[in-house]
Amino acid sequence: GAGVSQSPSNKVTEKGKDVELRCDPISGHTALYWYRQSLGQGLEFLIYFQGNSAPDKSGLPSDRFSAERTGGSVSTLTIQRTQQEDSAVYLCASSTNRAGETQYFGPGTRLLVL
Amino acid sequence: QQPVQSPQAVILREGEDAVINCSSSKALYSVHWYRQKHGEAPVFLMILLKGGEQKGHDKISASFNEKKQQSSLYLTASQLSYSGTYFCGTVGSGNTPLVFGKGTRLSVIA
Repeated sequence: GAGVSQSPSNKVTEKGKDVELRCDPISGHTALYWYRQSLGQGLEFLIYFQGNSAPDKSGLPSDRFSAERTGGSVSTLTIQRTQQEDSAVYLCASSTNRAGETQYFGPGTRLLVL
Repeated sequence: QQPVQSPQAVILREGEDAVINCSSSKALYSVHWYRQKHGEAPVFLMILLKGGEQKGHDKISASFNEKKQQSSLYLTASQLSYSGTYFCGTVGSGNTPLVFGKGTRLSVIA
């Protein structure tokens, strides 16, 4: 596609439910990131996929958070037993590699946990 | 390791200049600068790679001092369209991910 796409654009859920957020990176991009941005806050790194390497999960805030990347393309971020503090915008970004290339951000998924 | 940005916020009048600083406690391979407008995704500005380079386009430029592990973003003759939150992101040596600072909120007023 032309850019990084994310779905859904908005998600409202009840505390305790599980949610899945999807990211479609730009075709051919081997690097994929998930970030979380709480209201008025910075970009918090969550997880990073690079090619076939094991993902860097060092930013995941708890074991309720997990992510997969199937076939080196689409990624799904799963939050189990959601809490109100999980409410944020979840941004996905992709690039051709890690260090020296532009990251392209998707529009984000706004998650609200009631 | 999250880079530290300063200042946290700045207000400028049109035509004034500003400098946003970004520093890291670890050796850096690259520094990335992004701007985010309210309700939108971050948009790429520029990348500086190890080598102490300086880059720029239009009236926005940046420098990277790898010895000091610092980068600065320079905005000259600011325009209303420069308003937004500026983030620096850093990549360390080795297989480390791109992590961002907390951002600097820039407001340009007429």
